[in-house]
Amino acid sequence: SAVISQKPSRDICQRGTSLTIQCQVDSQVTMMFWYRQQPGQSLTLIATANQGSEATYESGFVIDKFPISRPNLTFSTLTVSNMSPEDSSIYLCSVDQGQFFGPGTRLTVL
Amino acid sequence: AQKVTQAQTEISVVEKEDVTLDCVYETRDTTYYLFWYKQPPSGELVFLIRRNSFDEQNEISGRYSWNFQKSTSSFNFTITASQVVDSAVYFCALSEGAGANSKLTFGKGITLSVRP
Repeated sequence: SAVISQKPSRDICQRGTSLTIQCQVDSQVTMMFWYRQQPGQSLTLIATANQGSEATYESGFVIDKFPISRPNLTFSTLTVSNMSPEDSSIYLCSVDQGQFFGPGTRLTVL
Repeated sequence: AQKVTQAQTEISVVEKEDVTLDCVYETRDTTYYLFWYKQPPSGELVFLIRRNSFDEQNEISGRYSWNFQKSTSSFNFTITASQVVDSAVYFCALSEGAGANSKLTFGKGITLSVRP
């Protein structure tokens, strides 16, 4: 099993700023996944983060907007850059084929 | 491309009623996994079940049961004797491949309201 923590749990940010979300796993994992859930919507995969290589982004998501770091096998960060109100969402990280999700970061952009 | 369809968007039942949440999927993979999650109003995603494509046995866990039918590409979820605490959004998801590094495709979710 894996226990995942995320920081911050929620934040309210101003338009044009950036926020970095941290994801910490209590065991080593090869891949970490970042998902976005817009209000009232389903989850959409942003990118897959493999330690030691650049993240792989899904269609509609770009590195300039959502840079990801994966410095080791238990940690990853997702940055939401130059935020707009449309970025208001819950951001979740996941490992082990979806069996384990972090508690999410609830982001509101004003 | 993979696709998960949850045709029901909202369901409302009275406590103690049984309710079935439907999930239909599309994939070209021969090996895949199917999932159900619960998302209560607090927002966290609660893992309920993972079933691989080679295991078509139905599963029962307390008041929850799952019916996997490959012939109709469906993986339906039944809650027996529903309770108010079952009120949540329920998501069905499909993995691409079967490894731990597989990504998930989610359905749009079903909002279940259980009234006292």
